[in-house]
Amino acid sequence: DQQVKQNSPSLSVQEGRISILNCDYTNSMFDYFLWYKKYPAEGPTFLISISSIKDKNEDGRFTVFLNKSAKHLSLHIVPSQPGDSAVYFCAASDGVQGGGSEKLVFGKGTKLTVNP
Amino acid sequence: KAGVTQTPRYLIKTRGQQVTLSCSPISGHRSVSWYQQTPGQGLQFLFEYFSETQRNKGNFPGRFSGRQFSNSRSEMNVSTLELGDSALYLCASSLSNSPLHFGNGTRLTVT
Repeated sequence: DQQVKQNSPSLSVQEGRISILNCDYTNSMFDYFLWYKKYPAEGPTFLISISSIKDKNEDGRFTVFLNKSAKHLSLHIVPSQPGDSAVYFCAASDGVQGGGSEKLVFGKGTKLTVNP
Repeated sequence: KAGVTQTPRYLIKTRGQQVTLSCSPISGHRSVSWYQQTPGQGLQFLFEYFSETQRNKGNFPGRFSGRQFSNSRSEMNVSTLELGDSALYLCASSLSNSPLHFGNGTRLTVT
């Protein structure tokens, strides 16, 4: 039973345009969500997170939106750059604060390609 | 500050053998978690250690075990290797209530 789903295995966008990566979850106990970026031959790198008490969190070009009623979150990258090309993983936690010592449940990832 | 260090980077083992993977966390991080990444199942949680105690465990058979030392360094062991254990094993460390910082992983191939 996949509790965190990223239904698009891949996404291709033009440089300068917006990239929107989507993630759905089924466990209503999840209260902390994170996005990680992964380049080949490297470990995942933390990008941005959001607590369930918020519906939006921004960090530079990256914004994460959370819709709790729909159990859906999305990552927006504006403007997209070729260096953003990587696999993006959505992750969720049901810990008190989550994201750190609590166990993370990951989606299977979306491969983003940003074309120059 | 040095990141999470995993050794070795690559490993080839034969079915039935056992293997030990090592992880050195970021200095000051007391929590260490292990994940398995495969093409079919994605990233799956194995276990988490904090102050030498296993705090969380995922749904993996008992062949998978780990431990943490007093300096927060951690090892994971897989006994009686199966072909399906071929995967990228990722270690991550963290401070309390903060995001995980991952190492670059150990690529294990079982033949």
